[in-house]
Amino acid sequence: DAGITQSPRHKVTETGTPVTLRCHQTENHRYMYWYRQDPGHGLRLIHYSYGVKDTDKGEVSDGYSVSRSKTEDFLLTLESATSSQTSVYFCAIRDVYEQYFGPGTRLTVT
Amino acid sequence: QQQVKQSPQSLIVQKGGISIINCAYENTAFDYFPWYQQFPGKGPALLIAIRPDVSEKKEGRFTISFNKSAKQFSLHIMDSQPGDSATYFCAALGGANNLFFGTGTRLTVIP
Repeated sequence: DAGITQSPRHKVTETGTPVTLRCHQTENHRYMYWYRQDPGHGLRLIHYSYGVKDTDKGEVSDGYSVSRSKTEDFLLTLESATSSQTSVYFCAIRDVYEQYFGPGTRLTVT
Repeated sequence: QQQVKQSPQSLIVQKGGISIINCAYENTAFDYFPWYQQFPGKGPALLIAIRPDVSEKKEGRFTISFNKSAKQFSLHIMDSQPGDSATYFCAALGGANNLFFGTGTRLTVIP
């Protein structure tokens, strides 16, 4: 599992509420990523980080923000959750070229 | 627009048979092509990967074939087993460390 944990693993929230998902890694990797997985779309990159306080947008960043104040933690925030953000969210780290994924967070927005 | 196109969407193979999944891309800047295996309720796990300067890479029963001129690559699973039943994703690495994924192939291996 490349030392990656995600919390919470499951969450149900209401439309319009803020949500923060946490990714924690234990191996001091510089690069961390947030993806969402939806049927028919595979995995799509939301945001990524290349160091503490260094982040950039991915393919589907609208409606999401991220923060990385420590090497080991990468937070994904939905400021005002919408039903279209119901998805499974995966965090990943990069080791040279390879990316390794965490166990995922299933988020349902009602 | 899907940067990496994957087919088929689903595949059923008899135990002992060969499973073949195909992917195609357009962006010639892609320079690393991994395959991931995902079981239900789990995160994708890196299975095998190839760089474009190599036409084939084999690891155990899993082989990637890469055709740079056609911008296509494929995963072959030899002697397919029921334990191989999973969803497989191809991907391509572009600039800024972005991995672009195919839409996935659900493989079922029948005993």
